[in-house]
Amino acid sequence: QVQLVQSGAEVKKPGASVKISCKASGDTFTSYYMHWVRQAPGQGLEWMGVINPGGGGTSHAQKFQGRVTMTRDTSTSTVYMELNSLRSEDTAVYYCARFYDSIGAFDFWGQGTLVTVSS
Amino acid sequence: DIQLTQTPTFLSASVGDRVTITCRASQGISSYLAWYQQKPGKAPKVLIYAASILQDGVPSRFSGSGSGTEFTLTISSLQPEDFATYYCQEVKSYPLLTFGGGTKVEIK
Repeated sequence: QVQLVQSGAEVKKPGASVKISCKASGDTFTSYYMHWVRQAPGQGLEWMGVINPGGGGTSHAQKFQGRVTMTRDTSTSTVYMELNSLRSEDTAVYYCARFYDSIGAFDFWGQGTLVTVSS
Repeated sequence: DIQLTQTPTFLSASVGDRVTITCRASQGISSYLAWYQQKPGKAPKVLIYAASILQDGVPSRFSGSGSGTEFTLTISSLQPEDFATYYCQEVKSYPLLTFGGGTKVEIK
């Protein structure tokens, strides 16, 4: 069955960077666009961006312009999301999620990665 | 950018109640809307896609309706396991996506 397994929790200082991984298994890695969504404590879901694992093309929310980089490694079926210049407001659980074209929605999600930004 | 406004933001209801959550889009999105359920500490789970199609395995007490700018998620008879937060998501602007602010359903 499809699984998305994310890397573990991170604690970072303001101004640092964090890179989170999301390893996919159980289906053809390059067939589904992979998105990143975050959720600050007690808050709602916020869409961050998307990567096409096949071609590597990306798009992201304007809010993260210049701070977010999404990459993929097809040899390990893993996508990565790096966020730079971290600030306390970036403290959140970060999820990867697979977009299934046939239903037009996210059908599988990673377990989430807590990133804490604190001095 | 398309904005999604969910109402109410908080809802207190009893087991067996009929519950309706509304999601309004700032511009027409046809039927490009999905609904998710999220329980504390867990990733969201898709309930409804294309505004009204029930995802496989989702109980039939959940239903979705609407098109254009106004959508509803209805739970016909609330069950204990339905107490959660619900989010709408528009996919008209794909690959750019937007979520509604969420509706928390709690036990009365």
